[in-house]
Amino acid sequence: DTGVSQDPRHKITKRGQNVTFRCDPISEHNRLYWYRQTLGQGPEFLTYFQNEAQLEKSRLLSDRFSAERPKGSFSTLEIQRTEQGDSAMYLCATSDGGAKVVTQYFGPGTRLLVL
Amino acid sequence: QQQVKQSPQSLIVQKGGISIINCAYENTAFDYFPWYQQFPGKGPALLIAIRPDVSEKKEGRFTISFNKSAKQFSLHIMDSQPGDSATYFCAASMNYGGATNKLIFGTGTLLAVQP
Repeated sequence: DTGVSQDPRHKITKRGQNVTFRCDPISEHNRLYWYRQTLGQGPEFLTYFQNEAQLEKSRLLSDRFSAERPKGSFSTLEIQRTEQGDSAMYLCATSDGGAKVVTQYFGPGTRLLVL
Repeated sequence: QQQVKQSPQSLIVQKGGISIINCAYENTAFDYFPWYQQFPGKGPALLIAIRPDVSEKKEGRFTISFNKSAKQFSLHIMDSQPGDSATYFCAASMNYGGATNKLIFGTGTLLAVQP
């Protein structure tokens, strides 16, 4: 257990519905990342927060996706009007930006299945 | 130029043998190369990492060999055990100040250690 928690661990939804995932970081970590992992592939970067500021978004993050990190603590990732292609594991990772080597610690992920 | 290429896709090793996984990158701005281990249904866990100013790093049974001129690095697992059976991902990032440190992952290697 890295100390990064994600909720829910599993989500099944119907196409067209909205879903929201939550990530709680290690308390002293100011950097937070979202990645998406499809079956048989490595995680792909989606977006990055430093404290409450969203500083980078991947082109993978379509306008149906939105992420927030109010007050620089937990983060949420919302997918609107889900599509079957959104089915994947959504991973959150956090790191201490003040460390000499910025190691990312991953949570257990939220597995999304869109029917 | 942002890709990290990983091979082999899968690997079967006998208990006690040496497992070797290789990765190659193009972007010379990468300066941090971690390896992650992932078990089914879990998030990736950091195994070992290296900076390009050293050619080798060893932690227990795990060794990273790094060839800066060839832009290649590899993971060696000595005395492989059935409990090492997992998917291994290499990754790369730009770790200097100001960078987002987002990880670019390889496609993964599924390792099976036979008893």
